[in-house]
Amino acid sequence: DAGITQSPRYKITETGRQVTLMCHQTWSHSYMFWYRQDLGHGLRLIYYSAAADITDKGEVPDGYVVSRSKTENFPLTLESATRSQTSVYFCASSGNTPLNTEAFFGQGTRLTVV
Amino acid sequence: GENVEQHPSTLSVQEGDSAVIKCTYSDSASNYFPWYKQELGKRPQLIIDIRSNVGEKKDQRIAVTLNKTAKHFSLHITETQPEDSAVYFCAASKYNFNKFYFGSGTKLNVKP
Repeated sequence: DAGITQSPRYKITETGRQVTLMCHQTWSHSYMFWYRQDLGHGLRLIYYSAAADITDKGEVPDGYVVSRSKTENFPLTLESATRSQTSVYFCASSGNTPLNTEAFFGQGTRLTVV
Repeated sequence: GENVEQHPSTLSVQEGDSAVIKCTYSDSASNYFPWYKQELGKRPQLIIDIRSNVGEKKDQRIAVTLNKTAKHFSLHITETQPEDSAVYFCAASKYNFNKFYFGSGTKLNVKP
């Protein structure tokens, strides 16, 4: 479980501020993902990355920016936080072969925008 | 993109009974279907998965079935125990693209 870690675990920020959530994995997995979890909506994909320098939008990308300059890191930035972005954010990673498909999740970051 | 629907949203069973959670998906190209369990305040963790070349898979008290024609898959838990109480998520993916789409979750409550 220590293979994928998120920081911070908890964050309170004000509306309009920029905030970055960090994600780091030690497995050299090709794929990394950001999900948000809200009651009644399950896990919704924000962005994903197939490899370093390759990223693409998921279901709910508006208001978020990602980058992946190194395979092991996949930060998520909220450029100007809004209250609707209050949520629990999960980072995940998975391999790129049919036998290495399981997605492993980080511990989550609980973000509150006030 | 893929659309995964999951039912029911809540399920309450007596200890020892069986529980069934159902999911449908929209993209016929999806070929990997994992199920995740999330205990309160924790991260989702894989409990079982199935690939499109298999119709059923079992692991002790847990089984998953897949009907590719109907684009439907289900999780079956037998002899439920209080520690099975959690939120369960189904997902669909194409393992050459590895984009996971999740259902909205089922909160299972097993009453002692």
